[in-house]
Amino acid sequence: NAGVTQTPKFQVLKTGQSMTLQCAQDMNHEYMSWYRQDPGMGLRLIHYSVGAGITDQGEVPNGYNVSRSTTEDFPLRLLSAAPSQTSVYFCASSSGFRKRNNEQFFGPGTRLTVL
Amino acid sequence: KNQVEQSPQSLIILEGKNCTLQCNYTVSPFSNLRWYKQDTGRGPVSLTIMTFSENTKSNGRYTATLDADTKQSSLHITASQLSDSASYICVVSRGYGGSQGNLIFGKGTKLSVKP
Repeated sequence: NAGVTQTPKFQVLKTGQSMTLQCAQDMNHEYMSWYRQDPGMGLRLIHYSVGAGITDQGEVPNGYNVSRSTTEDFPLRLLSAAPSQTSVYFCASSSGFRKRNNEQFFGPGTRLTVL
Repeated sequence: KNQVEQSPQSLIILEGKNCTLQCNYTVSPFSNLRWYKQDTGRGPVSLTIMTFSENTKSNGRYTATLDADTKQSSLHITASQLSDSASYICVVSRGYGGSQGNLIFGKGTKLSVKP
């Protein structure tokens, strides 16, 4: 199993450009999430999905869109990039959160810089 | 307010020494508590998950404890190695809904192990 994969690993954008961060998992997990991580802030939830066709907003959703057309894929779209979106983005997947064996697996991250 | 506080923010220890990281939470109702290890430039990796009924859980040289009465957890690292240099993140799952929106993240403790 590849686990959770993210592309690209690094990206530089200019203010106003749009792009899509890709995330895929091969563990048949229903739950997928996008987080951003900034120095001193910890991981913050952007958007999440509890199954194909179902998405919801997290703590910091503004400026981002998501969709979940398949179980495997959960892309994150930046509509009009701003310098405040410079961050490291992590995608994660899980089979749930209530049981002691419900681990959440994180991808390797995408480091995004907006100039 | 649901919060997870970790201390210290950073810690430097010598290789071979033991150390203990702290996590205090005010999350209610409590579902489970997770510790993650995040190496620099990589995604977090799960170390332990503890439910209400568990007060100790080990994963190799890592031992997590949970006191649900005082709402405190600790992560003890025995005989530290250079590879233990990382950030350690405490995450508490709230309530009965079992989704990503119920995860409360601490900001992490950055551990540096020096030779």
